[in-house]
Amino acid sequence: DTAVSQTPKYLVTQMGNDKSIKCEQNLGHDTMYWYKQDSKKFLKIMFSYNNKELIINETVPNRFSPKSPDKAHLNLHINSLELGDSAVYFCASSRWGPTEAFFGQGTRLTVV
Amino acid sequence: AQTVTQSQPEMSVQEAETVTLSCTYDTSESDYYLFWYKQPPSRQMILVIRQEAYKQQNATENRFSVNFQKAAKSFSLKISDSQLGDAAMYFCAYRSVGTSYDKVIFGPGTSLSVIP
Repeated sequence: DTAVSQTPKYLVTQMGNDKSIKCEQNLGHDTMYWYKQDSKKFLKIMFSYNNKELIINETVPNRFSPKSPDKAHLNLHINSLELGDSAVYFCASSRWGPTEAFFGQGTRLTVV
Repeated sequence: AQTVTQSQPEMSVQEAETVTLSCTYDTSESDYYLFWYKQPPSRQMILVIRQEAYKQQNATENRFSVNFQKAAKSFSLKISDSQLGDAAMYFCAYRSVGTSYDKVIFGPGTSLSVIP
């Protein structure tokens, strides 16, 4: 009964490939996010969804396309992977408003 | 735009001692939430403590407490009786209240080592 779960935990792939990371939350939250953590551990928001609607896109390359089929899921699809995409990607969710975000365990993406 | 700064990239503390991690933020808003998250080597993000800006009382959670200075836009975390399991990256974070531009903004983190 993990609150926010994302799969896979690890992903190694070649440049140019397309890959997806899945995220599901069972907390009944309205808002879901994708964050990218780089090699220096800096966490930067990529996307924010509220009730399946995109509300934040932080100038992420359009090779990254989030998809929210319902409030409990927010998947991240990445086309034409580049070496610089290597990072840890975190999915998170929260209630709408001033509450904390709950994070998944992260997906370490390595592009070779 | 809001920003969060943590001026100490690395800190160390002796086991059982007390350590304080610094955080400052910049905002023009009067109401917001502040958080400290811990990220151990397992990379799981764990909420340590939260503070509501309209509350003057500093939040405490067991060995963790904050010193919230709203006028100075400062939000430091004090860890008392440090334990080996406290070794981790600590992130200070900010979230607006009542805005449609909703996100949690993180500082760059402080890596805390605990010396046995």
